[in-house]
Amino acid sequence: IVLTQSPDFQSVTPKEKVTITCRASQRIGTSLHWYQQKPHQSPKVLIKYVSQSFSWVPSRFSGSGSGTNFTLTINSLEAEDAATYYCLQSSSFPGTFGQGTKVEIK
Amino acid sequence: QVQLVESGGGLVKPGGSLRLSCAASGFTFSEFYMNWIRQAPGKGLEWISYITSSGTTIRYADSVKGRFTISRDNTKNSLYLQMNDLTVEDTALYYCARTSSGFPDSWGQGTLVTVSS
Repeated sequence: IVLTQSPDFQSVTPKEKVTITCRASQRIGTSLHWYQQKPHQSPKVLIKYVSQSFSWVPSRFSGSGSGTNFTLTINSLEAEDAATYYCLQSSSFPGTFGQGTKVEIK
Repeated sequence: QVQLVESGGGLVKPGGSLRLSCAASGFTFSEFYMNWIRQAPGKGLEWISYITSSGTTIRYADSVKGRFTISRDNTKNSLYLQMNDLTVEDTALYYCARTSSGFPDSWGQGTLVTVSS
């Protein structure tokens, strides 16, 4: 299963809204997760199963979608959100990641 | 808290071998599936292998099948990756990651493997 993210890169001013999409080559149900990777750090999960967040993740991060099209939204971007974001499908092994979306702060 | 510490990376010549280790702490290791996921320099993430909690089921990505062997020792809270017949395409940061509820939820900091002549 191939995951294609768009855009590859986004330069955004603080407080702006960021939308990253992830398109799967076939239906994956709800087995879609989002990760954030900051430079020189390992990835950290932000969203599980399309839209389920974690208590430690800021509420400005949210996920949505179904079928083959999924979206990560960052409302009111903050400087600490500069990172590369990856989607991951765990519907079948090997789980596959999107190619990543790098978010830069202007 | 959950801690995963990889070791064993280094510089190896093409065709060589390495054995990576991952020491786990802060959770009941024997109850969780474990994974190896790698990231080539400046590139994306590739899930290369997983092993079930008891070790009875193992899967590999096609890119490493027949060359890499994943294993675990639940008495030592440790995960391993034996890598043979390495090629330059195997150069990457190798992460150990725990699976919880069907996805990798905790990752180590990685160990760097460089394959070069």
